[in-house]
Amino acid sequence: GAVVSQHPSRVICKSGTSVKIECRSLDFQATTMFWYRQFPKQSLMLMATSNEGSKATYEQGVEKDKFLINHASLTLSTLTVTSAHPEDSSFYICSARDLTGTGNIQYFGAGTRLSVL
Amino acid sequence: GEDVEQSLFLSVREGDSSVINCTYTDSSSTYLYWYKQEPGAGLQLLTYIFSNMDMKQDQRLTVLLNKKDKHLSLRIADTQTGDSAIYFCAEKAQAGTALIFGKGTTLSVSS
Repeated sequence: GAVVSQHPSRVICKSGTSVKIECRSLDFQATTMFWYRQFPKQSLMLMATSNEGSKATYEQGVEKDKFLINHASLTLSTLTVTSAHPEDSSFYICSARDLTGTGNIQYFGAGTRLSVL
Repeated sequence: GEDVEQSLFLSVREGDSSVINCTYTDSSSTYLYWYKQEPGAGLQLLTYIFSNMDMKQDQRLTVLLNKKDKHLSLRIADTQTGDSAIYFCAEKAQAGTALIFGKGTTLSVSS
């Protein structure tokens, strides 16, 4: 299947700093990427839908000024957690939608474990 | 609204078959998916089924879809210890392109 690369895999930072997470589709173009957050032993919670060349669509309850999303090209979306606090510690996963073929498949990155001290 | 439900845990012995069940509410779902997540990792697409199909088989995996009852199942034949993971059922949301995930079923395989 298609490959989605997510970087970094793990971040430990101090409270108040900003952290950028990258999501790249390596062998296909993705006009739409998705950012999810996963708490321990929980399901994935959709945070926002990232559309290439336009503003991201945020889910209810997700602060757009806190979680900045940029989708500047067909293969790259970034999520910046601004002024991170301990409650932002979580597992963040991105996915990219591959429209070629059938199945409307979303391929997922390996995730980023964010720990804010 | 849209909702996907799964049982939380399943424990089987190595070599047995595992059946993971899922129910969903959106009757207009066009695709339904099974993803696998190993500890500390992202989600790996296992298989998917189009809503006009009843069954799909791929090596050890068999997906059954009962559209009338909105019930989806994943059968893993000859379950191995390497199959231990969390399995997520997901449906494609009606209104957009995002997936709606269940809470995941933790499969534990003992030797």
